[in-house]
Amino acid sequence: GNSVTQMEGPVTLSEEAFLTINCTYTATGYPSLFWYVQYPGEGLQLLLKATKADDKGSNKGFEATYRKETTSFHLEKGSVQVSDSAVYFCALRLNSGGYQKVTFGIGTKLQVIP
Amino acid sequence: GAGVSQSPSNKVTEKGKDVELRCDPISGHTALYWYRQSLGQGLEFLIYFQGNSAPDKSGLPSDRFSAERTGGSVSTLTIQRTQQEDSAVYLCAVGKRGEAFFGQGTRLTVV
Repeated sequence: GNSVTQMEGPVTLSEEAFLTINCTYTATGYPSLFWYVQYPGEGLQLLLKATKADDKGSNKGFEATYRKETTSFHLEKGSVQVSDSAVYFCALRLNSGGYQKVTFGIGTKLQVIP
Repeated sequence: GAGVSQSPSNKVTEKGKDVELRCDPISGHTALYWYRQSLGQGLEFLIYFQGNSAPDKSGLPSDRFSAERTGGSVSTLTIQRTQQEDSAVYLCAVGKRGEAFFGQGTRLTVV
C-alpha cells in the first residue's frame, strides 16, 4: 500500500538554525509529493509540492526535492524563524488510475525558540 | 481554508448520542476527503469521495461512522452512539488540481 513516514517530533530549534524534517514514502505508482503546514489554531494549508522525480518545491524559504532513488522528500529551511513554529505534514498522491486519495504522514511539530 | 466550510466549528455531545458534521465545499471540486486529527496524533484518513465513483471507506474506524455526499457537493459525516475516544478534530478537504484544500475543522468533544 501507499504510505508516508516522517520523523517524529517535536523538533525544537533556536531561531536562525537549519531545519531538516525527513520524509520517505512507499507508493505503488508515481506519486506527487506535498508538504502541508498547520499553524497553531489554523487549518492545514499547502506549503509546497513536487510532481515528478528531481523536482524541487519551494515556498517561504522552505525547500524539498523529490528523490525517487531514495523515495524521499525531506523538508529543509536554512534559517528558521519563530513564526515557522507549526506542525508539518508530508503527503503523497498517486497520479495514475484516476484515484486521487491523499495519504498523509503523522506530522512533525516544530517549535522555534527565540 | 479557502473553498471549504465546515459546521459546527465546535460540538460538545454526551456519550451515546449521535452527531452530524457538515462539510460544504464550493462547487467544482470532485474529490472530497474526511480526516480525523486527535490530540497529539497525526492525520487519520476516514473516507474519500471522487465524483460518481463508490467512496473509499477504508479509513472508517467502526460501523458507527458513516458519510454521504449529496449531489456531488455537501458531505455529512455521521457518528452514532459517540464514545469518548471519538473526541478529535474532524477535517474536511477538497481536491483541486491535485492538491487538498482543508476546512478549519469541527472540534468534537464527547463527555
